Amino acid sequence: AQTVTQSQPEMSVQEAETVTLSCTYDTSESDYYLFWYKQPPSRQMILVIRQEAYKQQNATENRFSVNFQKAAKSFSLKISDSQLGDAAMYFCASGGYQKVTFGTGTKLQVIP
Amino acid sequence: GAVVSQHPSRVICKSGTSVKIECRSLDFQATTMFWYRQFPKQSLMLMATSNEGSKATYEQGVEKDKFLINHASLTLSTLTVTSAHPEDSSFYICSARVQGAYNEQFFGPGTRLTVL
Repeated sequence: AQTVTQSQPEMSVQEAETVTLSCTYDTSESDYYLFWYKQPPSRQMILVIRQEAYKQQNATENRFSVNFQKAAKSFSLKISDSQLGDAAMYFCASGGYQKVTFGTGTKLQVIP
Repeated sequence: GAVVSQHPSRVICKSGTSVKIECRSLDFQATTMFWYRQFPKQSLMLMATSNEGSKATYEQGVEKDKFLINHASLTLSTLTVTSAHPEDSSFYICSARVQGAYNEQFFGPGTRLTVL
C-alpha cells in the first residue's frame, strides 16, 4: 500500500523568489519512483520532475529540484526564481511498477 | 513525443445514458493505461488499470459493471460510463505508461463529464 501526504493545501511565493513544497510518503515497495506533477488551470497533468528511489543524488530539472530524504520518506520540491507560469496545483506522487498514488495537492500562487 | 489524447474533452448527457471516453497514445505504444477520476479541488483517484488484451484491474470501490474499460490495442483504451447518474459527473483523466521508461505516465488532457 502507498500513501502520499502533502500538508500544505496552499502556498504563495513572490515572483523570482524560491519556494519549497513538502511531501511525505509511505510505501511497502522496495523499488519505487517519486514524481512531482503540475496541473495548471487547463487541468493537463505535466511531469515536473522524477526521482528513482535507489538514487541518492537529488534530481534537478532547470529551476526545479528535489530534496529526497529516503530514511525520512520525504520528497520536497524546490522551485527557484519563481515565474508567473509556475502558478498551478502541484501533486506529489509515488509509484512502483504498477500504479502511482497521488497526494492531495498544493495550490501554488505566484505573486507579481 | 509521448502525447496522449482524450476524446471528447467535454460531454453532457442525460441521466440513464451511457458515455464512452477514448484515450489514445499518439506516438508510442502503451501496454498499460490508467483511468483516474478527479473531483473539483481534489486529487486524482485511480479507478482502474488497463492492460492491452486483458481485463482491467479495478480499484476497491469502483464498480466494474458501471465503468467498462476496454484496451483493445496498444494505442487505445476506452472508458464507458454506463447508465450515468449526476453523481458520476466528474473530470476523467487517462494516462499511458511507457514500459521501462522510469515508470512514467503521460496524461491525457481529461474529459469533463456532466450528467443532467
